[in-house]
Amino acid sequence: DQQVKQNSPSLSVQEGRISILNCDYTNSMFDYFLWYKKYPAEGPTFLISISSIKDKNEDGRFTVFLNKSAKHLSLHIVPSQPGDSAVYFCAASARATGTASKLTFGTGTRLQVTL
Amino acid sequence: DTEVTQTPKHLVMGMTNKKSLKCEQHMGHRAMYWYKQKAKKPPELMFVYSYEKLSINESVPSRFSPECPNSSLLNLHLHALQPEDSALYLCASSQGAGVYEQFFGPGTRLTVL
Repeated sequence: DQQVKQNSPSLSVQEGRISILNCDYTNSMFDYFLWYKKYPAEGPTFLISISSIKDKNEDGRFTVFLNKSAKHLSLHIVPSQPGDSAVYFCAASARATGTASKLTFGTGTRLQVTL
Repeated sequence: DTEVTQTPKHLVMGMTNKKSLKCEQHMGHRAMYWYKQKAKKPPELMFVYSYEKLSINESVPSRFSPECPNSSLLNLHLHALQPEDSALYLCASSQGAGVYEQFFGPGTRLTVL
């Protein structure tokens, strides 16, 4: 049972435009969410996170939006740059259950930023 | 130093071999993790160490044996593996075993023949 889903396996965006990556979850106990970026032959790199008490968190070109009622979060990258081309994973954890360290990852979305 | 290092980068082993994967961090983090990632799949948690004690074992087969000799080092001892254990093994660390971002190493690509 995939508790965190990224339904778009790939996304292509032109340089300078907005990239929107989506993530859905089913476990209502999840209350902390993270986005990671992964280049080939490297480990995932932390990008940005959001707690369930917020609906938006912004860090430079990256903004994460959380819609708890829809169990949906999205990552916006503006403007997109060629160096953003990578696989993006969303991850979730359930702090309230005492297992905050256990991250459940989505299946990933491959972002290609074209010139 | 904001890096998690892993050795070796690549490992090929037979089903009767014994080998070890190593992970090191010098960020003063007190929690360390092992993940397994198969091709085109997300990372899956295997073990969590918090303050050098095993706190989570995700029902991993005993042919995988973790060890945390000190707060900077994490090992994964491998014995009698199966070909289906071939995967990328990722180590991560975080400030604590709570709501903290996890920092990942580059991984060890393991092939079991």
